[in-house]
Amino acid sequence: QVQLVQSGAEVKKPGASVKVSCKTSGYTFTSYDINWVRQAPGQGLEWVGWMTPNTGDTGYAQKFQGRVTLTGSTSLGTAYMELSSLRSEDTAVYYCARNLERTGDFDYWGQGTLVTVSS
Amino acid sequence: QAVLTQPSSLSASPGASASLTCTLRSGVNVDSYWIYWFQQKPGSPPHYLLKYKSDSDNQQGSGVPSRFSGSKDLSANAGILLISGLQSEDEADYYCMLWHSSTWVFGGGTKLTVL
Repeated sequence: QVQLVQSGAEVKKPGASVKVSCKTSGYTFTSYDINWVRQAPGQGLEWVGWMTPNTGDTGYAQKFQGRVTLTGSTSLGTAYMELSSLRSEDTAVYYCARNLERTGDFDYWGQGTLVTVSS
Repeated sequence: QAVLTQPSSLSASPGASASLTCTLRSGVNVDSYWIYWFQQKPGSPPHYLLKYKSDSDNQQGSGVPSRFSGSKDLSANAGILLISGLQSEDEADYYCMLWHSSTWVFGGGTKLTVL
């Protein structure tokens, strides 16, 4: 069965970086894009960016440009999101989700990773 | 002005139908877009429900009951998620999404209460 399993919760200080992983199984990693979506406490969903494992191509929401890097390891079937220059407003649950390229069928999601930014 | 606007809350009775709207910003024509819908329950990731472009171009997510359906109101420039035969388990947050200007954009979400 398809599974996306994310790394555990993180606590970071302002200005630091965080790297969250999303380990996939049950399907061919290179056949689907991986998207990252975040949700601040009590708030709605916010799209962060996408990564195509087959080519390494990426796309980012404008507000995260220059601060976020999406990568993947085809040998490990794992996607990564690194967010730098963290501030308190980045405190959120970060989700990975797979989709077929150029579709919004985010049909499988990771369980979410809480990133807390606090001094 | 946000690209997608959803009412923050909606209440409906068990067995009734609920129509959740997702209004596109003026100048962003709903007729041109696939509208995607997700359901999220507390403490869980979002769950993909369906996508809708037109009556002849739409698709249900895997295992999603036919009680959930999509449509559009072209006069209101809005996408609609219709849930019929409401059940207590349908109580959740619902989000719409579309691809606009090379980004995925979510609406702010509607909290559906079934009471």
